[in-house]
Amino acid sequence: GAVVSQHPSWVICKSGTSVKIECRSLDFQATTMFWYRQFPKQSLMLMATSNEGSKATYEQGVEKDKFLINHASLTLSTLTVTSAHPEDSSFYICSARVGFSANYGYTFGSGTRLTVV
Amino acid sequence: SQQGEEDPQALSIQEGENATMNCSYKTSINNLQWYRQNSGRGLVHLILIRSNEREKHSGRLRVTLDTSKKSSSLLITASRAADTASYFCATDAQGGSEKLVFGKGTKLTVNP
Repeated sequence: GAVVSQHPSWVICKSGTSVKIECRSLDFQATTMFWYRQFPKQSLMLMATSNEGSKATYEQGVEKDKFLINHASLTLSTLTVTSAHPEDSSFYICSARVGFSANYGYTFGSGTRLTVV
Repeated sequence: SQQGEEDPQALSIQEGENATMNCSYKTSINNLQWYRQNSGRGLVHLILIRSNEREKHSGRLRVTLDTSKKSSSLLITASRAADTASYFCATDAQGGSEKLVFGKGTKLTVNP
C-alpha cells in the first residue's frame, strides 16, 4: 500500500534553532500533502496544505514565516520550524491522499515528536 | 476548526465486548473516514464511507452514516487488547478542498 515516510521520528532542539521535518511519498506521487499538529491528548489540527511547485496554503492563525513549507517535488514535502520555542513542542504529522478521487483515504506519516528546550 | 465531535471521549471495555464510538459533524461532506492512532504514532486509515452510503463493513469494523443527522458510528466487534488506541473520525467536506477535518477522538481501552 501507499506509504508516507516521515523523518525524524523525534527531535530535541534548543530554543532559537530551526528544525526540518521531511515527508516522502515512497510509492506514489503526492501533488498535495497536509501538515498537522497534535498536542497531547488532543486531536489533529491542520496547519497547512503543501502544494507541489507552488506556495503552501496556511490555516488561519498559523504563522507562515514560523512554519516554512517546501514541496519541491512530487514525492517530498518539508516543514521547517524556524526559531523554535518551547511552545512549539508538539507532535507534527504529514499526510497525503492516494489517488485523486474523494473515495480514497489518506496515508499518514508516523509523526515527529518535537521537543524544544 | 473541529468538524467532527466524537463521543464518548474515553471508553474502557473488556476483551470480547463490542465497542461503539459516535461522531457528529456540521457541514455537508463528500465522505467520512475513521482513523486509528496508537499512542505517539501516526494515523492508520480504517474505513471510508461515502455520503451516499449508509453502512460499510471491513472485518470486525462496521461503520454507519446518517447524513440527515450528520452523524456516524464505528462499531468494533469482539474487541481485542490490541484494539486499544485512539479513534478519530474525519470529514472530507464538499467543495473540493481535500482538507480533512478531524474530531476530538475517542480513547478506547480494551482490558485483557
